[in-house]
Amino acid sequence: AQSVAQPEDQVNVAEGNPLTVKCTYSVSGNPYLFWYVQYPNRGLQFLLKYITGDNLVKGSYGFEAEFNKSQTSFHLKKPSALVSDSALYFCAVRVFSGNTGKLIFGQGTTLQVKP
Amino acid sequence: DTEVTQTPKHLVMGMTNKKSLKCEQHMGHRAMYWYKQKAKKPPELMFVYSYEKLSINESVPSRFSPECPNSSLLNLHLHALQPEDSALYLCASRESVGGSLGNTIYFGEGSWLTVV
Repeated sequence: AQSVAQPEDQVNVAEGNPLTVKCTYSVSGNPYLFWYVQYPNRGLQFLLKYITGDNLVKGSYGFEAEFNKSQTSFHLKKPSALVSDSALYFCAVRVFSGNTGKLIFGQGTTLQVKP
Repeated sequence: DTEVTQTPKHLVMGMTNKKSLKCEQHMGHRAMYWYKQKAKKPPELMFVYSYEKLSINESVPSRFSPECPNSSLLNLHLHALQPEDSALYLCASRESVGGSLGNTIYFGEGSWLTVV
């Protein structure tokens, strides 16, 4: 079965420190991987995606993600966390369903950045 | 511009009411989605429209009825809902670049639905 796992329900980090939010995937074929962020009482905002090419993908708000095929991982990173980065983060993989594609989401990781 | 607009932002309805949620995008996207999201959970796919035709229905109860009047608009008609249907309903649209699975799906801000 195709799936995405986010092993941590919550990640706590101090402002200014680097952050990592973990994601692993299981898909048949090439993975098309996405990260979304959801601030309180808001919709999902697209951060970045991996399709092919360079394993280090850069996205919005200073975030980046590293694709690792051998470890089937796509961890989200930021060199220096901000309090305003506190939010719910979802990793997702896009797979075919019928004649179209759909996103399979991980369970989400709450990032808490403390001053 | 990657904007998906949803109205209303908040809706309270009784179990016997009929109401609708609306979604609009002007990015030329040809696929549109409805998702349901409970607090702190991932969104759950409900429906997908591709080129104004329903392509995925994730076994959603018939009290939810989607409609795609044209390529820019998507509605979700609600009738005889239950309190457990209270949730955030997210609309999304997908860019269309060569039909790739790598096309990005953009979400709206959602409509908060409370069924009383």
